Amino acid sequence: NAGVTQTPKFQVLKTGQSMTLQCAQDMNHNSMYWYRQDPGMGLRLIYYSASEGTTDKGEVPNGYNVSRLNKREFSLRLESAAPSQTSVYFCASDSGKAKNIQYFGAGTRLSVL
Amino acid sequence: LAKTTQPISMDSYEGQEVNITCSHNNIATNDYITWYQQFPSQGPRFIIQGYKTKVTNEVASLFIPADRKSSTLSLPRVSLSDTAVYYCLVGYTGTASKLTFGTGTRLQVTL
Repeated sequence: NAGVTQTPKFQVLKTGQSMTLQCAQDMNHNSMYWYRQDPGMGLRLIYYSASEGTTDKGEVPNGYNVSRLNKREFSLRLESAAPSQTSVYFCASDSGKAKNIQYFGAGTRLSVL
Repeated sequence: LAKTTQPISMDSYEGQEVNITCSHNNIATNDYITWYQQFPSQGPRFIIQGYKTKVTNEVASLFIPADRKSSTLSLPRVSLSDTAVYYCLVGYTGTASKLTFGTGTRLQVTL
């Protein structure tokens, strides 16, 4: 089982460049999430999607946009990357039902120079 | 969202039992308590979840007192491979849980 798959695993950008982080899950989950994790810190929620066709802001949404393309895929876009967005990005999904457990991808390590 | 407080770090020797306590004073009636484990360069991984009393699985036990204002994750006979960061989360079990990850507890296991 693949679970949650993120691409790419690593990326280096120059300030002002744009890019899209891809995430796909094969568990037929309703809800999907994007987090960022800075060195020595916990995860902070950027955006989430409760179900296909809906998205909502999390704790740190500024500088990011998301698209829930279908039930399987949830992408995160940086329109104009800044050094402050250097971080590890994790995608997660869960069933959206009671006692939901989130399953995480392996992460995308992004450096913005 | 219920805020959680847990120790920043703990040290243990291999073979010992480790107990990590999490405080969540404003836990809501619908909230479950969930613990995740994170190894370096990996995403968090679910360990155990509970609502009240005691829950045990093949990896850990979770003790929750009657007032549910705290919980304790117990790892029996830890090994070097249990060195990781452990997160305590408290969240609503409805559609789309906006869980809050704190800084977690960094457990270091040595010989």
